[in-house]
Amino acid sequence: DVKVTQSSRYLVKRTGEKVFLECVQDMDHENMFWYRQDPGLGLRLIYFSYDVKMKEKGDIPEGYSVSREKKERFSLILESASTNQTSMYLCASQVRGGYTFGSGTRLTVV
Amino acid sequence: EDQVTQSPEALRLQEGESSSLNCSYTVSGLRGLFWYRQDPGKGPEFLFTLYSAGEEKEKERLKATLTKKESFLHITAPKPEDSATYLCAVWGETSYDKVIFGPGTSLSVIP
Repeated sequence: DVKVTQSSRYLVKRTGEKVFLECVQDMDHENMFWYRQDPGLGLRLIYFSYDVKMKEKGDIPEGYSVSREKKERFSLILESASTNQTSMYLCASQVRGGYTFGSGTRLTVV
Repeated sequence: EDQVTQSPEALRLQEGESSSLNCSYTVSGLRGLFWYRQDPGKGPEFLFTLYSAGEEKEKERLKATLTKKESFLHITAPKPEDSATYLCAVWGETSYDKVIFGPGTSLSVIP
């Protein structure tokens, strides 16, 4: 079975901290995505990557960056965490259009 | 611009009471339409992919259908364990590999 693993289910960080969210897929997929999900706003695309070392901005990239040094790993970085980045973060990999999602990371910034 | 809407926003059913969820879409060249199920605090779980109008897919109590403008997720004789948020998403020719998600329908099935 295909698998996307996010390193943390729950995370609490302080305002101003640099935060790393890790995502690993075992399917050799080229495309990977980071979304955040908030009540009433649905899924919003932050960044995506089509290949190693390639990245593209999504709809809400401000305050975030990404890293993809290896095909299987796609990291989301919050350069200086703020309270408005408290959210559920979802990583996904893609083949033939369809996504496989990780279980999500619930991040709280205090 | 590709768009996806879903209705109703929330649906409350008695156990055994069949119903349908709607996904309406506007897309330039549909390459695929996806249905996902999401339980609270978890990532979405893939249910179906539909590629062309007239196509139907079934899985247990769920059946997804597709027309040129909308998709329906029919739930037959639902059980409490079917309670979840159901997300619809479209993959269009002009969006490269980005998939556009609808806002979801929150389904509650009461015993």
